[in-house]
Amino acid sequence: RKEVEQDPGPFNVPEGATVAFNCTYSNSASQSFFWYRQDCRKEPKLLMSVYSSGNEDGRFTAQLNRASQYISLLIRDSKLSDSATYLCVVNRDDMRFGAGTRLTVKP
Amino acid sequence: EAQVTQNPRYLITVTGKKLTVTCSQNMNHEYMSWYRQDPGLGLRQIYYSMNVEVTDKGDVPEGYKVSRKEKRNFPLILESPSPNQTSLYFCASSPRKSEDDTQYFGPGTRLTVL
Repeated sequence: RKEVEQDPGPFNVPEGATVAFNCTYSNSASQSFFWYRQDCRKEPKLLMSVYSSGNEDGRFTAQLNRASQYISLLIRDSKLSDSATYLCVVNRDDMRFGAGTRLTVKP
Repeated sequence: EAQVTQNPRYLITVTGKKLTVTCSQNMNHEYMSWYRQDPGLGLRQIYYSMNVEVTDKGDVPEGYKVSRKEKRNFPLILESPSPNQTSLYFCASSPRKSEDDTQYFGPGTRLTVL
């Protein structure tokens, strides 16, 4: 079983839609959590950290459920520019990356 | 501009021909690491370095070497590349090996071994 699991997608949604991604992790000792965004053939870039209380950054909301060991990312009012692969990242001693969920936002 | 640079960006080589991929960061970061990214597997760590002259194996170190003689540079060496090392490679750095520190990635090196 992979340490960090994500639905690979692809998620194809129209502009303005709300889309949610989930990610599960297997190691309960994990200490910090992130969502990274990766555009096609480019390097991953930090989108946001994920805190136990949940956090929001504009149209993006991230939540963490430690008891169930899952992390979610919600994107509201999606834009064409949101098209990318979203990587769930879990940190215990080292960062562990999910394989990513691909999102395509269409006009 | 704060950045992580990698060279070359693209490389096609043949089995057994030694190669080095360079990585350099200008942010005075202590921690640097190398990842490979393969479809369906996500990024897997090859080697990391917590500071100058301190390196350690990640999850998939076989077939790779690294060195950290200076803080800013962390080259990845493939002494005898094989086709299963065909992949997309990323170098990354962060201020420390800390649970809260963001990693900054280089632009990637796409390696093909024939």
